[in-house]
Amino acid sequence: EVLLVQSGAEVKKPGESLKISCKSSGYSFTNYWIGWVRQMPGKGLEWMGVIYPGDSDTRYSPSFQGQVTISADKSISTAYLQWRSLKASDTAMYYCARQSAIGRFGAFDIWGRGTMVTVSS
Amino acid sequence: DIQMTQSPSSLSASVGDRVTITCRASQGINNYLAWYQQRPGKVPKLLIYAASTLQSGVPSRYSGSGSGTDFTLTISSLQPEDVATYYCQTYDSAPQTFGQGTKVEIK
Repeated sequence: EVLLVQSGAEVKKPGESLKISCKSSGYSFTNYWIGWVRQMPGKGLEWMGVIYPGDSDTRYSPSFQGQVTISADKSISTAYLQWRSLKASDTAMYYCARQSAIGRFGAFDIWGRGTMVTVSS
Repeated sequence: DIQMTQSPSSLSASVGDRVTITCRASQGINNYLAWYQQRPGKVPKLLIYAASTLQSGVPSRYSGSGSGTDFTLTISSLQPEDVATYYCQTYDSAPQTFGQGTKVEIK
């Protein structure tokens, strides 16, 4: 079974750093793009970016470029989303999701359950 | 960057009604268009990819059509479990933008 297991909910203060994870299983991690999607409370889905773990090629939305870092560790089939300095406006649910096509962009066919990040002083 | 515009933003229909949601891309996207369903409080679920291909396990009352810049998601006979927000998304190139969503309710 293909699974994406995300790390647990986080409560942080503004200015703190954070790295959340998404562990993959049941498929060849290096052959599929994997990405992150933000959903702020009561709002729609926002595409943040994707990474191809095979060669670490990473693409960002202009809205998130420079604000977050997407990375992957092939040795443990895990993707990450990282912030250096959180803001209250980063409060949201963050989903990781796998793209469906081998070696190229595809629809997000497998989703993690989401990691809720709350940033509050 | 490609912009995706959905309409309507919300709709209310009766059980058994035919429901249509439209998604327009700001430029051609080679039919690299997906539709997702997000039920309240749940994880998004892929319904359709490549504009018209039904994802495995998705009920046949869902269908997708369109090409170029204009695409449609149709629910042929609305069921109570279809209450959700529906999103289109292009994956033609990065950034792979989502539409703003269409909330579907039962009248």
